[in-house]
Order: sequence, then C-alpha cells, then structure tokens
Amino acid sequence: AQSVTQLGSHVSVSEGALVLLRCNYSSSVPPYLFWYVQYPNQGLQLLLKYTSAATLVKGINGFEAEFKKSETSFHLTKPSAHMSDAAEYFCAVSVNTGGFKTIFGAGTRLFVKA
Amino acid sequence: NAGVTQTPKFRVLKTGQSMTLLCAQDMNHEYMYWYRQDPGMGLRLIHYSVGEGTTAKGEVPDGYNVSRLKKQNFLLGLESAAPSQTSVYFCASSPDRNSGNTIYFGEGSWLTVV
Repeated sequence: AQSVTQLGSHVSVSEGALVLLRCNYSSSVPPYLFWYVQYPNQGLQLLLKYTSAATLVKGINGFEAEFKKSETSFHLTKPSAHMSDAAEYFCAVSVNTGGFKTIFGAGTRLFVKA
Repeated sequence: NAGVTQTPKFRVLKTGQSMTLLCAQDMNHEYMYWYRQDPGMGLRLIHYSVGEGTTAKGEVPDGYNVSRLKKQNFLLGLESAAPSQTSVYFCASSPDRNSGNTIYFGEGSWLTVV
C-alpha cells in the first residue's frame, strides 16, 4: 500500500526567500508523484508531476520538485517566494496496480510575509 | 472552458435532511470522483466511478450514495445528513485508469449540517 507524508502543516517564508515544502512517500511499486496547489475557495490544480522521466520536474509559477528514490522524497521548491504563492499545497502519490489508487497528503499551508 | 462544475456551491442542511450534490464534466473523462476535505486531513475519497453506470467505494463511503447514469455527470447523495458530514466536497475527473493522469477538480461545495 502506498502512503504520503507532508512534513509541516504550515510553512511561513518571507517574500523573496526560498520555498521548501517536504513530501515523503511510501510505495511498493514505482509511483507517479504529484504536487497540487489550492488557492482560497478554489479546487486543487496541478502544479507539476513526476511520471518516471526526468527526476527534476519543473512546474508552473517557477516551482520544481526532485524525485529522490533513495530518500523516497519529492520535495517542492521555489527559489524566491512571491505573495501570490500563498496557498495550500498537496503532495499525492499514485500507482498502476490495476485499479485507481491516488493518495493525497494532508496538505501544507504556505504563508508569505511581506 | 468549464472543466468540472459542481452545484450548489453552498448549502446548509438540518440534521436528517437529504440532498444531492451535482457534478458535471465536459472533458469526456472516464473516471470521476467525490472527495471531502476537512482541516488537517487532506482529501479523502468518498466514492468514485470508472465509467458510465459504474460506482465504487472509496476511503470514507458511509452515509453517502452516488450515481453515474451519464458519462458526464456524477451525483453525490446524502440520505440523512449528520453534523459529521459538514465539510467541503470536491468533485474531480481524470481521463482513464492510467495513474499518471492529472486529476481535474471542481471548485468545491461547502456543506454545513446543523
């Protein structure tokens, strides 16, 4: 069975600072990994995804994530935070086991201070 | 460019009342889902459908029923609402069973049971 853990329910950074949101996963088979972002009062939208091609994945709005199999991690980063990045971020893991199976993490709320 | 549309957006129910949340997608997706989102718990899958006329239980199906009579629609019913069902509900869809597919979300339905 797969699982996903997001470290830190809240992260606060200053505008212009590095954003690092942590995600660790567990899966018995090669996983697909996703980051979704949820802005206030909206649904989730895809930020980026890893599907076994390049281990460094670039997404929208300057975000990127690196798949590290040895560490079972898929941390999300952005070099310089912007006020508009304030949102909730969800890591998700999905596997091809013959049926639907996508598990979402509990989410990390990012606060950006001026 | 509608994507996934949910109605109603907001609803207040009294304990014991029934209601149906409506979801429509215009992307010709095979898979559709209903999630609930609660603080600190991320997204939890209630029910899902892998095609017209099919439904299956997710992680937290108790107290809910669903129907997928048409490919583009997925209905979530609460037969006898309870305060524990106060939550934000998201409908979502994805193209097919490939776990690498992006999941597309609606904007959410806020339900309060008093």
